Amino acid sequence: GQNIDQPTEMTATEGAIVQINCTYQTSGFNGLFWYQQHAGEAPTFLSYNVLDGLEEKGRFSSFLSRSKGYSYLLLKELQMKDSASYLCAVRQDQTGANNLFFGTGTRLTVIP
Amino acid sequence: DGGITQSPKYLFRKEGQNVTLSCEQNLNHDAMYWYRQDPGQGLRLIYYSQIVNDFQKGDIAEGYSVSREKKESFPLTVTSAQKNPTAFYLCASSMIAGGHHEQFFGPGTRLTVL
Repeated sequence: GQNIDQPTEMTATEGAIVQINCTYQTSGFNGLFWYQQHAGEAPTFLSYNVLDGLEEKGRFSSFLSRSKGYSYLLLKELQMKDSASYLCAVRQDQTGANNLFFGTGTRLTVIP
Repeated sequence: DGGITQSPKYLFRKEGQNVTLSCEQNLNHDAMYWYRQDPGQGLRLIYYSQIVNDFQKGDIAEGYSVSREKKESFPLTVTSAQKNPTAFYLCASSMIAGGHHEQFFGPGTRLTVL
């Protein structure tokens, strides 16, 4: 079967660092995406990993280990506006289709 | 400005009625997608289209229909056969050729069936 696991909820303090984990078991793998979604709004793209290792983009970094079926999103210097859901998604198809399989998302609350 | 639009933002319908949700993009993207989002669940793929006049069923296509007569447009019809139509519906688009291409999402339509 196919499955993506993320924690349902997390809470962190403004200015701190938080790591959101994602583990996946999918029928294929051709990249992993992280999206941010504020309540009632559209998801927005944060990061993409297809090879093992760390991708850094400002305050956000994402890590991938394909052998472990594991990724994490690291958010540094947390701000109140980072309170949102973070969605992990896997692209499975290697034939050219760009379909994504999404996890249920992790709702992050940043407190003062 | 380039982007993807959905209308309306909120939609109310009586049970048993068909309803069509609009999705338009001017990003010149080849592929378009429809997702459904329910509380506590991830985005689930309803239908997708990689080229005009062609579309494929996603994981939860039953009770839905789509068309792709123009590259820019991918409307979704929620039919009376859909047993639990109340949900947040998201449309997305992306390129598909060459390299990684993230999906860009519209603002969503919240459908409530009374």
